[in-house]
Amino acid sequence: DAMVIQNPRYQVTQFGKPVTLSCSQTLNHNVMYWYQQKSSQAPKLLFHYYDKDFNNEADTPDNFQSRRPNTSFCFLDIRSPGLGDAAMYLCATRRLAGEDTQYFGPGTRLTVL
Amino acid sequence: DQQVKQNSPSLSVQEGRISILNCDYTNSMFDYFLWYKKYPAEGPTFLISISSIKDKNEDGRFTVFLNKSAKHLSLHIVPSQPGDSAVYFCAASGVSGTYKYIFGTGTRLKVLA
Repeated sequence: DAMVIQNPRYQVTQFGKPVTLSCSQTLNHNVMYWYQQKSSQAPKLLFHYYDKDFNNEADTPDNFQSRRPNTSFCFLDIRSPGLGDAAMYLCATRRLAGEDTQYFGPGTRLTVL
Repeated sequence: DQQVKQNSPSLSVQEGRISILNCDYTNSMFDYFLWYKKYPAEGPTFLISISSIKDKNEDGRFTVFLNKSAKHLSLHIVPSQPGDSAVYFCAASGVSGTYKYIFGTGTRLKVLA
């Protein structure tokens, strides 16, 4: 009964080789988020969707793109990964009406060689 | 400018004793606060939350206290168990017009058997 699912859990890519991380949810939540987390740091918000409305953080590099084809799925595309992009990528969801709690997936650990 | 701060990067507590994790915030517009627990190589798991209209919320061994005048919240775990050893993040939300959460940098709790 997983609620927020991320695939793959571990991803290895080469420097400059595009990579796509996926997130799906069974909660039917309106809002979906992508965070980047490096060790010993707070999760850093990259962008979020309210339904199909996309909201990019001002300091999110252009190298990072996202797609949300439907309510259940959201993708993070890293067009040309650099060594500094190695991190844990976390997807999260939230239902807006009457509840402010955000639920996370298990994360995808990205390694860049 | 870090709006949510967890000033203690780590905490060690004996099994059976109380663990107290602290969090301070600067933005008086925050109206909802959450605590997450994170094990290595996993996504954060929601633990407990509190709305700004309350000063205490309890769920089993976990209690969160909110002191709005001091802009301070704390998480109490009683009694602490070895399985509670993890990194704990506090997060705040509710700035008008956004669905964003601001996270602290986390406190690593180690419960000693």
